[in-house]
Amino acid sequence: EIVLTQSPGTLSLSPGERATLSCRASQSVSSSYLAWYQQKPGQAPRLLIFGAYSRATGIPDRFSGSGSGTDFTLTISRLEPEDFAVYYCQQYGSSPPYTFGQGTKLEIK
Amino acid sequence: QVQLVQSGAEVKKPGASVKVSCKASGYTFTNYPLHWVRQAPGQRLEWMGWINAGNGKTKYSQKFQGRVTITRDTSARIVYMEVSRLRSEDTAVYYCARDQRSVWFDPWGQGTLVTVSS
Repeated sequence: EIVLTQSPGTLSLSPGERATLSCRASQSVSSSYLAWYQQKPGQAPRLLIFGAYSRATGIPDRFSGSGSGTDFTLTISRLEPEDFAVYYCQQYGSSPPYTFGQGTKLEIK
Repeated sequence: QVQLVQSGAEVKKPGASVKVSCKASGYTFTNYPLHWVRQAPGQRLEWMGWINAGNGKTKYSQKFQGRVTITRDTSARIVYMEVSRLRSEDTAVYYCARDQRSVWFDPWGQGTLVTVSS
């Protein structure tokens, strides 16, 4: 099983600042198989980034993904008030075929 | 637009079964597999299984094999997920999510809270 570890657990920033979220895999993951989701309280996760770099439909360009192998990053260039949420990375691989990170909570400082 | 609408919250006793539904709209139902993912309190998201809505074939996480059954009703455009022999550890929000290229999930249903308590 590929284990995804996200850091930090909680990130406290102010609107307008830049956020950098990390996702580390226990073994190499194809960039094509790495995604990021945003989840707000009481809501379902929403797809942000797929294939490590590509933004999903309707996602603002302040969200960007990067990385390869075992290290991936989600960057939010200038935080808006609506960006404060929990973010999860997810990979597709071997059994089980889909695993998620434990999440990074982005909170207002 | 593409939408997945799930059934309402359930409270069950240990040992019972629960069946959650997910009604799809806004796309050709049989063209996309549907997955089930759960989120227990304080735990990470956990993939449970999926169904090919076209031919009904299923695949389950080893963890849930034998205890989870996913079915579909193509005429009603509904996918069902049943969990049997419920335990307190099955208390979670259960989500359905549409498959995208067998790799990621978009969109998701609104979630169904299942509480298992004596």
